[in-house]
Amino acid sequence: EPEVTQTPSHQVTQMGQEVILRCVPISNHLYFYWYRQILGQKVEFLVSFYNNEISEKSEIFDDQFSVERPDGSNFTLKIRSTKLEDSAMYFCASMGTSGNPVFGPGTRLTVL
Amino acid sequence: AQSVTQPDIHITVSEGASLELRCNYSYGATPYLFWYVQSPGQGLQLLLKYFSGDTLVQGIKGFEAEFKRSQSSFNLRKPSVHWSDAAEYFCAVGANTGGFKTIFGAGTRLFVKA
Repeated sequence: EPEVTQTPSHQVTQMGQEVILRCVPISNHLYFYWYRQILGQKVEFLVSFYNNEISEKSEIFDDQFSVERPDGSNFTLKIRSTKLEDSAMYFCASMGTSGNPVFGPGTRLTVL
Repeated sequence: AQSVTQPDIHITVSEGASLELRCNYSYGATPYLFWYVQSPGQGLQLLLKYFSGDTLVQGIKGFEAEFKRSQSSFNLRKPSVHWSDAAEYFCAVGANTGGFKTIFGAGTRLFVKA
């Protein structure tokens, strides 16, 4: 069964550093997402991406965040200058036309 | 606005006992509904989903859920809980808000006692 993969599984960074989280969506999917889960809290929508552009973003997704699909297979989330409160699990998801998103295993980001 | 409410922050059941986790949603159209399970530090595993048709849906690991439009509910049930079912359970709704996104409830943590 096709899977969404994410790398790295765990990223530790210093406050103020830039990080890039990577995702490989399912190959024939057209919709791509990033979600965030702060430890002990619920999963929150960050951004959706379709047809090479952002289709929707939440209030969390401020100017420090950006997404890109650089090569037709990868889907990345960049945080330009990390803050302590960016520490969370970040989930990538992709979806075809079924309305059934498939989530990746997540990247745990720790900002020190 | 679209939202998902899971009224129980945590529930404790005895192994072998039945389980029902409650979920209520707010969404203007016919919803896509999901239940996910998450073990500590792990990802989200889809238990089951409802898109249309039969309002009682079967999922993996012996779970089922019933969609009740009149009550805006999608409660998750299992007739006999196993110790390995201890985890966090998230109800979610798929919402079309210009783009499609998944809105999660706050989760219910299930504890299983021997």
